[in-house]
Amino acid sequence: DQQVKQNSPSLSVQEGRISILNCDYTNSMFDYFLWYKKYPAEGPTFLISISSIKDKNEDGRFTVFLNKSAKHLSLHIVPSQPGDSAVYFCAASAHTGNQFYFGTGTSLTVIP
Amino acid sequence: GAGVSQSPRYKVAKRGQDVALRCDPISGHVSLFWYQQALGQGPEFLTYFQNEAQLDKSGLPSDRFFAERPEGSVSTLKIQRTQQEDSAVYLCASSREETQYFGPGTRLLVL
Repeated sequence: DQQVKQNSPSLSVQEGRISILNCDYTNSMFDYFLWYKKYPAEGPTFLISISSIKDKNEDGRFTVFLNKSAKHLSLHIVPSQPGDSAVYFCAASAHTGNQFYFGTGTSLTVIP
Repeated sequence: GAGVSQSPRYKVAKRGQDVALRCDPISGHVSLFWYQQALGQGPEFLTYFQNEAQLDKSGLPSDRFFAERPEGSVSTLKIQRTQQEDSAVYLCASSREETQYFGPGTRLLVL
């Protein structure tokens, strides 16, 4: 049973515009959320995280929003750049456990 | 390079062979995780170590999978009598606090 879901397998965005990647989760015990970026033949690279005590975290062009009541988080990239083209995974964990639960990923293509 | 390293990067095995996958975590990272990533899927948890202690192995799919970290640093994931369904990328991650940092993975293909 998939506890973290990314319902959009792919997304294409023009360079300079905003990319919005979405993620939903089912487990209300999750209290820490992360986004990872993955290039082909490489491991996932940590991008940004958010704790459940916050509803927004910003780092440069990347902002993660958390809506706990909807069990939904999103990653905003603005402005999008061609180098942002990669697969993005969201992940969640509960402080009571050790493992991360990953979504299936969204492949982002930023068109120059 | 101060990141997580894994070897080999690619491994082809005949069905029934045993394989051993190595992970060198970031120096000083107490926690080490193994994940399995099938094609088109996200990483799925296999097992977790805190120093040399294996605290959670609930994700190991069968008793053919075995992991160890005898000195609390390097870890080895061993798969005995490999099956075709074991074909996947095996990712290792280490952490000191909450964020896990991943290695490049070992792509295992079982023929």
